[in-house]
Amino acid sequence: GDSVTQMEGPVTLSEEAFLTINCTYTATGYPSLFWYVQYPGEGLQLLLKATKADDKGSNKGFEATYRKETTSFHLEKGSVQVSDSAVYFCALITLTGGTSYGKLTFGQGTILTVHP
Amino acid sequence: DVKVTQSSRYLVKRTGEKVFLECVQDMDHENMFWYRQDPGLGLRLIYFSYDVKMKEKGDIPEGYSVSREKKERFSLILESASTNQTSMYLCASLGTGPYEQYFGPGTRLTVT
Repeated sequence: GDSVTQMEGPVTLSEEAFLTINCTYTATGYPSLFWYVQYPGEGLQLLLKATKADDKGSNKGFEATYRKETTSFHLEKGSVQVSDSAVYFCALITLTGGTSYGKLTFGQGTILTVHP
Repeated sequence: DVKVTQSSRYLVKRTGEKVFLECVQDMDHENMFWYRQDPGLGLRLIYFSYDVKMKEKGDIPEGYSVSREKKERFSLILESASTNQTSMYLCASLGTGPYEQYFGPGTRLTVT
């Protein structure tokens, strides 16, 4: 079945440091890829997405590129802020047959803490 | 904005109790989901529903059941709560199209 593997955390950075969170996936079909963010005490929010190979999703200074050849979707940000402290989840959806609904498969999550 | 609400943020129940977790969405979405979130395991799908009165098992349905009597409401039921069901439970809804799921704030359930 489908699976998503994220780099192990937690990740601790100083403000303005460069961030990379690795994500690789295994899927039988042709998935769409997502990064979700969960701020303390809140539910998950979609951060960015990419639906086909070589697409780059971006939002709030975060970027991730859909790499089919390496089955990866690494999250990057050039300069993190304290407010970026959260849990980040990589996820995918693969549609099969004629279904119109999607089931997300999530990675285990990476805790990011940014210090001033 | 889409709003997904869950009936409780925190819940404490005793082993053997029947537990109901309610989820309501206000966007007329057809698809709704229940996940549990545990440290180091990410989110795991318990059940989902793609229409009223329709339900499908997810990856970890054992010990749970669901009810979808109205389109906007999706309930998760723990028939006889056990301590290994202590977890964060997240509800989500999804419209047709680009497959963005909208999540509720979660219910942290503790079973003692």
